[in-house]
Amino acid sequence: DTGVSQDPRHKITKRGQNVTFRCDPISEHNRLYWYRQTLGQGPEFLTYFQNEAQLEKSRLLSDRFSAERPKGSFSTLEIQRTEQGDSAMYLCASSFDSNGYTFGSGTRLTVV
Amino acid sequence: AQRVTQPEKLLSVFKGAPVELKCNYSYSGSPELFWYVQYSRQRLQLLLRHISRESIKGFTADLNKGETSFHLKKPFAQEEDSAMYYCALSPANTGNQFYFGTGTSLTVIP
Repeated sequence: DTGVSQDPRHKITKRGQNVTFRCDPISEHNRLYWYRQTLGQGPEFLTYFQNEAQLEKSRLLSDRFSAERPKGSFSTLEIQRTEQGDSAMYLCASSFDSNGYTFGSGTRLTVV
Repeated sequence: AQRVTQPEKLLSVFKGAPVELKCNYSYSGSPELFWYVQYSRQRLQLLLRHISRESIKGFTADLNKGETSFHLKKPFAQEEDSAMYYCALSPANTGNQFYFGTGTSLTVIP
């Protein structure tokens, strides 16, 4: 599959633990996006990168959340001190400029 | 601030009947509007965008700036159209992030 890959597919963690998710975009795509989707809602934008630069962050992205894209290829999203409200599907997407916008299958996080 | 509203959480139609999924938006500038679809156990994928003015899988959507709507229509629903549909807005001159509605789950009854 040459699409957007996300790892892991599922993550169960105890409240207060840190978790990290990975996203591998389509190789020629320069933009990478993170979204969060909770039950019954559409995806909500969190942040995006153009190459390695993080250009925009939503107010949803509290200081417990941090995202990186160190070499302009894969990206990681870390959540520190997880809370039950962090339980959601975390989606990654990539594009080349505004073309070919493609979503991954997501990482489902459950905080218990 | 931008907002996308999909008033129907659930919509059921019989096979062969027309279907219309409603989408209204609020945005002060000139947005780009999209419809995304998610079939069972598949990832979210683009169905169509208003700029393209195309018909995909028999679906069309017309941007009505006066009514700030972008309703999705198909004259004859098929069973394979059963899916979750999301309307999305991308503000002009941004990094192309999307603002999604809450989605409409369409069920086509055989």
